[in-house]
Amino acid sequence: AQSVTQLDSQVPVFEEAPVELRCNYSSSVSVYLFWYVQYPNQGLQLLLKYLSGSTLVKGINGFEAEFNKSQTSFHLRKPSVHISDTAEYFCAVTRLRRALTFGSGTRLQVQP
Amino acid sequence: DAGVIQSPRHEVTEMGQEVTLRCKPISGHNSLFWYRQTMMRGLELLIYFNNNVPIDDSGMPEDRFSAKMPNASFSTLKIQPSEPRDSAVYFCASSLPAGGLDTGELFFGEGSRLTVL
Repeated sequence: AQSVTQLDSQVPVFEEAPVELRCNYSSSVSVYLFWYVQYPNQGLQLLLKYLSGSTLVKGINGFEAEFNKSQTSFHLRKPSVHISDTAEYFCAVTRLRRALTFGSGTRLQVQP
Repeated sequence: DAGVIQSPRHEVTEMGQEVTLRCKPISGHNSLFWYRQTMMRGLELLIYFNNNVPIDDSGMPEDRFSAKMPNASFSTLKIQPSEPRDSAVYFCASSLPAGGLDTGELFFGEGSRLTVL
């Protein structure tokens, strides 16, 4: 079975500060990892994904994530956040031919 | 380009009534997923289809829930009879043939917010 743990339910941060949203996964086999973002009253949008290759993955809106197999982590980072980054962020995992399993989400609150 | 289209966006109904949620996936996508989002349980996979065939419905809460995909461009999720604990946002998502079950890239609709009184 696969599962995802997002360690922080809420992360408050000031505008232009760096941010890291943490994600750990568990799976007995190789997995694919994702970060999705959900703005208020909207569906989820893909931010970035790790399938294979380079462990540092760059996504949209200046976000990046690093896959760490030894620590089974896939933390999301942004060097400088904007007010518009306020949203809920979901880490997700899947393995071949299985549907996505989502974490519980982290609400990023960017304050002026 | 049209994304995944869900209807209705909002539904308020009384306990015991039948509820039908609808989804039109992106044209050309052959996998379709129904997720439910609540504060308590987060995002839960209810069921997914591949080429209109249900592959995994283990997430469907109970017999009151049923889902169909009569063709590649339409799916329904039905709750009969509805109960207050079914109140949630229901999302439909679709994926490309080379994605979805293989790589997990899903395209979500904007959701149907269901309130059962």
